[in-house]
This record gives sequence, structure tokens and C-alpha cells, in this order.
Amino acid sequence: QVVLTQSFSASASLGASVKLTCTLSSGHSSYAIAWHQQQPEKGPRYLMKVNSDGSHSKGDGIPDRFSGSSSGAERYLTVSGLQSEDEADYYCQTWGTGFHVVFGGGTKLTVL
Amino acid sequence: EVQLVESGGGLVQPGRSLRLSCAGYGFTFEDYAMHWVRQAPGKGLEWVSGFSWSSGSVNYADSVKGRFTISRDNARNSLYLQMNSLKTEDTALYYCAKEGGGYFDSWGQGTLVTVSS
Repeated sequence: QVVLTQSFSASASLGASVKLTCTLSSGHSSYAIAWHQQQPEKGPRYLMKVNSDGSHSKGDGIPDRFSGSSSGAERYLTVSGLQSEDEADYYCQTWGTGFHVVFGGGTKLTVL
Repeated sequence: EVQLVESGGGLVQPGRSLRLSCAGYGFTFEDYAMHWVRQAPGKGLEWVSGFSWSSGSVNYADSVKGRFTISRDNARNSLYLQMNSLKTEDTALYYCAKEGGGYFDSWGQGTLVTVSS
């Protein structure tokens, strides 16, 4: 079964950029993933899908400040020009065997 | 605009049952797979169950298999989750999610289920 690993936390200053990482377990480096944002006290919001070749497709209304990329088994979410509302939990998601869905543990992003 | 509205949560004793509902608006409900995802207090997201639109197949996380049943009524644009034999560890915010392009492209705001004596 595929496992997604994320750092527990990350931080960056207002206006700066930050790159969050989601790592696919061994043998699953070809998998695409999705990134979701969950602001405090809100439901999750779909940000984008990131393919193994680094291409990505964003959800409706997602600002250009959000972008995705890939390298090997790692999938990245880069947030540029950080704003206070970007302070949130970020989850990656993919598909496991037998129509099961897998989430990473989430990264809590703090904007300083 | 796509909108998902969950309802049916509440406080229930261990061993009892509860039925959650999710109403979908702004899209052709029958054309999409739908899922339930939960989040225990202070924890991350956990997929619970999904209902494929094409094959009609359903699937469950091991933690709820045999206790929870997912269903849908396309005429009512609604998704349901029947939860039986509830345990304290089922306490969570339950979200309904629409699958689009292979991923969850829309989410509801959630309905809170608290299992406690």
C-alpha cells in the first residue's frame, strides 16, 4: 500500500516563498498526487494535482502564487509571496490499491 | 458553483447508530464518484468510504468496514453514510467530497459526530 510522508510543520515569513514536500513510498514514484489546503476552522480546499513529470493542474480560483512540481518520489507545493491567509494545514492525497484513498499526515504552515 | 452540504451529525452513545447525509448542488450529481472523509479532533484527514459513479462499486477503510454503509440517491442529489456500532474513536468531523479528475475537487464544511456515553 502506498504511503505519503509529509513534514509535520514548516514556516516562512510574510511575502517569502515556501516549498512543501510530499514523499511517495518506495515503488510508487510514478503516482500523481493532489494537494489540499485546510485553513483554521474550515473544510479542506482542493489546490491542484501534481503528476510525476512535474506538470500540474490547479483547481478553480487557485491563485498563481501556488504551484506544483516533482522530482523522483517527491511532490512539491510551492507558495510564493506568502500571505497571512496561507497559514493552514496542507495535505497530499493519492490512490492506494482497491479504490482506497490515502492522505499524508499533513504539514502545518506558519506564516511569520 | 459546486456546493456540498453535510447534515445528520450529533452526540450518540457507543454502540448506537447515526446516518449522515450530504446534498450536492451546482453539478450533475450522478456523474461523479462521491466520498466520505473524516477528521478526528486535532488530527489529520482519514478517508472513510467512496462510491464510484461508473461501476457502482463502493469501498471502505478497514477501520469502518462492516459497520458503515455508504449509499447514494441520484434523484435527490444526495450521498449517505449509515454508521452502526459506533465507537468512541469514530468521533470526528465528517466531510463529504466530490471526486473530479481523479481527486477530491470539492469539499463540504463537515458535520460533527461525537460518540460518548
